Amino acid sequence: AQSVTQLGSHVSVSEGALVLLRCNYSSSVPPYLFWYVQYPNQGLQLLLKYTSAATLVKGINGFEAEFKKSETSFHLTKPSAHMSDAAEYFCAVRKETSGSRLTFGEGTQLTVNP
Amino acid sequence: EAGVTQFPSHSVIEKGQTVTLRCDPISGHDNLYWYRRVMGKEIKFLLHFVKESKQDESGMPNNRFLAERTGGTYSTLKVQPAELEDSGVYFCASSPLAGGQETQYFGPGTRLLVL
Repeated sequence: AQSVTQLGSHVSVSEGALVLLRCNYSSSVPPYLFWYVQYPNQGLQLLLKYTSAATLVKGINGFEAEFKKSETSFHLTKPSAHMSDAAEYFCAVRKETSGSRLTFGEGTQLTVNP
Repeated sequence: EAGVTQFPSHSVIEKGQTVTLRCDPISGHDNLYWYRRVMGKEIKFLLHFVKESKQDESGMPNNRFLAERTGGTYSTLKVQPAELEDSGVYFCASSPLAGGQETQYFGPGTRLLVL
């Protein structure tokens, strides 16, 4: 069963517009949740992570995500997109029952138009 | 501090050949992970080392894949013989041995193409 679902394999926004990348997880117990970003020809870089300390998590480069248990969601947002935000974004979950492995969504390619 | 490094960055081989991928984790990180992304699919876990021991190898697809981490430092992932479906990007990640909330730091990946 899919543990992480990212809605939309491709998202396109205009520069300065709101960025919203969706992630839903399936777990009976709130897991640890992560957003990673992969810029072209680079490795995955951690944007932010949720570890139950606070439901609104702020990350690097102006990104934030809110953990909503009732909706089993962990959507990533940024108020104003920059051209440099164009990349592929991955939501991942780490479940207590699966050791320390990460389970990833299929990724969302973000395009930022001038 | 150097990040996770992987070698080679790209590899193109023919079906039936052998390829060995190498990962150097961040110094001092006892956890080392291998993941793979087949084109168009999600990144999938392959295995996890704690120091030189295999903690979890449940994601290894079959016995053509052999991972080692002698001495608990760098790791190698050998595919022998390679098949077409092995093509993809192989990522290595490392993390310190602490607490359970540790962040996994990823390398740039090795892009493997089997022809």
